[in-house]
Amino acid sequence: NAGVTQTPKFQVLKTGQSMTLQCAQDMNHNSMYWYRQDPGMGLRLIYYSASEGTTDKGEVPNGYNVSRLNKREFSLRLESAAPSQTSVYFCASCPNRDTQYFGPGTRLTVL
Amino acid sequence: QKEVEQDPGPLSVPEGAIVSLNCTYSNSAFQYFMWYRQYSRKGPELLMYTYSSGNKEDGRFTAQVDKSSKYISLFIRDSQPSDSATYLCAIEGAGNMLTFGGGTRLMVKP
Repeated sequence: NAGVTQTPKFQVLKTGQSMTLQCAQDMNHNSMYWYRQDPGMGLRLIYYSASEGTTDKGEVPNGYNVSRLNKREFSLRLESAAPSQTSVYFCASCPNRDTQYFGPGTRLTVL
Repeated sequence: QKEVEQDPGPLSVPEGAIVSLNCTYSNSAFQYFMWYRQYSRKGPELLMYTYSSGNKEDGRFTAQVDKSSKYISLFIRDSQPSDSATYLCAIEGAGNMLTFGGGTRLMVKP
């Protein structure tokens, strides 16, 4: 069991470039989440997917789009990256209401 | 005012000390309370969760919830250098959505 995997681990973009962050889980969980973590801000929810085929906005969705490709995969896309999107991005999945399992994170820098 | 407030630290203690980590929250509708531990450059991992007011113990860790004061705590007994990490409180609201505190960085010195 790999748990939750994320690719890439690191990425540097120039302002205006686009990219997709990939997330996959092999635990057969229904719910998946994308968070960003900034110093002193904790984790803030960007988007989530309660089940395959559904997605909803979280606290900070502006500038992002998501795709729940299938039950295993949930991707996050930045269409036109901005320096304010420099952050560490975490994907998580959840089988029920008491535990979210997090991936190792993607460190993104936008110049 | 943020929904969940947490002292950022850093908190530095000697090995063997009792550590107290705390969060306050503003929404009385919150029902589930969790503590996550995050080692440097890693994803958070669930340490403890509790539903009701009172204490829950797991080894050296005790989670305490006081709903009347909207205050949650995590106590670590006999702290070890391996406990050095950032501790995040998280509170679950509607739809299994978690609201996280900003995290407290703990350093346990040998």
